[in-house]
Amino acid sequence: DTAVSQTPKYLVTQMGNDKSIKCEQNLGHDTMYWYKQDSKKFLKIMFSYNNKELIINETVPNRFSPKSPDKAHLNLHINSLELGDSAVYFCASSQEPAGDPETQYFGPGTRLLVL
Amino acid sequence: QKEVEQDPGPLSVPEGAIVSLNCTYSNSAFQYFMWYRQYSRKGPELLMYTYSSGNKEDGRFTAQVDKSSKYISLFIRDSQPSDSATYLCAVKKTSGSRLTFGEGTQLTVNP
Repeated sequence: DTAVSQTPKYLVTQMGNDKSIKCEQNLGHDTMYWYKQDSKKFLKIMFSYNNKELIINETVPNRFSPKSPDKAHLNLHINSLELGDSAVYFCASSQEPAGDPETQYFGPGTRLLVL
Repeated sequence: QKEVEQDPGPLSVPEGAIVSLNCTYSNSAFQYFMWYRQYSRKGPELLMYTYSSGNKEDGRFTAQVDKSSKYISLFIRDSQPSDSATYLCAVKKTSGSRLTFGEGTQLTVNP
């Protein structure tokens, strides 16, 4: 069983389009995250939700809007896509603050290419 | 200045070698120190974590933290081709705060 799943795995789209990436975790975790990994493998947090509430919102253009319909899902919607949005987007989840504080489980990533 | 600095490599070693991967960080408030391993086209997975200073060993892997010099290390003994991956260090101030990652070091272990 996949612990953290993302769809789609690959996304190729034109500049200016709007797209969504979906994430689901079946670990029963309270906290979910979106990360962006650029071509140099630098992994940077974008957002974090705890029990459907936004708790971390990094300096990310407001074209990016996360939505958490329930604590098992965290989706990312991107408006007016730009070339610089091309990257791999990872969803992750963890059971914080209780328990092992540092095990974040990552999804397989969504490779976004904006043409 | 980046909060966490990591040499991106690439690092190429022969099978059986001892590998040393390192990161430095700038903020003394960081208390949790992690190493993640990321295989090509996969998500990162937690390899080891340490709270505060000291060493932690797990099989062929040893994580070391020196808070006085703000230096964290991961040693891999008897490296195997299956260890070929990108290794990312990560730091955190407290439980519940954000993870800050280094750039990752790409390691190749040649058979």
